[in-house]
Amino acid sequence: QITLKESGPTLVKPTQTLTLTCTFSGFSLTSSGVGVAWIRQPPGKALEWLALIYWNDDKRYSPSLKSRLTITKDTSKNQVVLTMTNMDPVDTATYYCAHRTITAAGHYFDYWGQGTLVTVSS
Amino acid sequence: QSVLTQPPSVSGAPGQTVTISCTGSGSNIGAGYDVHWYQQLPGTAPKLLIYGNSNRPSGVPDRFSGSKSGTSASLAITGLQAEDEADYYCQSYDSSLRGSVFGGGTKLTVL
Repeated sequence: QITLKESGPTLVKPTQTLTLTCTFSGFSLTSSGVGVAWIRQPPGKALEWLALIYWNDDKRYSPSLKSRLTITKDTSKNQVVLTMTNMDPVDTATYYCAHRTITAAGHYFDYWGQGTLVTVSS
Repeated sequence: QSVLTQPPSVSGAPGQTVTISCTGSGSNIGAGYDVHWYQQLPGTAPKLLIYGNSNRPSGVPDRFSGSKSGTSASLAITGLQAEDEADYYCQSYDSSLRGSVFGGGTKLTVL
């Protein structure tokens, strides 16, 4: 059974750096084809893909946020960490991590964490 | 502004059929990348509903179906039930952005 859970601060101040941790179980991030992504959703708005890390440590970032994002993994702890610098109130959102699967039917997110709401305010 | 375009809202009475469209471009859906759909019930995380354009994960009722043609895809829900009231998102891959892209979401109201 695959599960993911996000953790991190619920409140950050503008200009601060946000660090979120995704702790997962039920799969290994060393298995070929596996990836873990971060996706966010501002209140009342749409989903936005942020970053993805692959089993081979290859990384992908949303072009619009690339300069502010870093994604890393710790396979020994079954964790993926996302850092986002220079936080702004517009970054207030629920942040999800998700298991990314590759099959003949494409790349999709088949398991999601419950999400963590991060508010950016002074 | 989302890369994939969905209608903001759709509605239907119980038992009816509704369709949600997802329109992309030549760098995503039109380039042949698969479309996937997610259902987000109020206050919960998104859940995979359809993958690979038309495949249902185990446990998803066959009232939900997906299709794709050209630069667009569609999600159809037949026999609407009150529990189907949720937000629905399409997702694909964009070769120009080199990453996943989502639609703006469609709120389904069951009248």
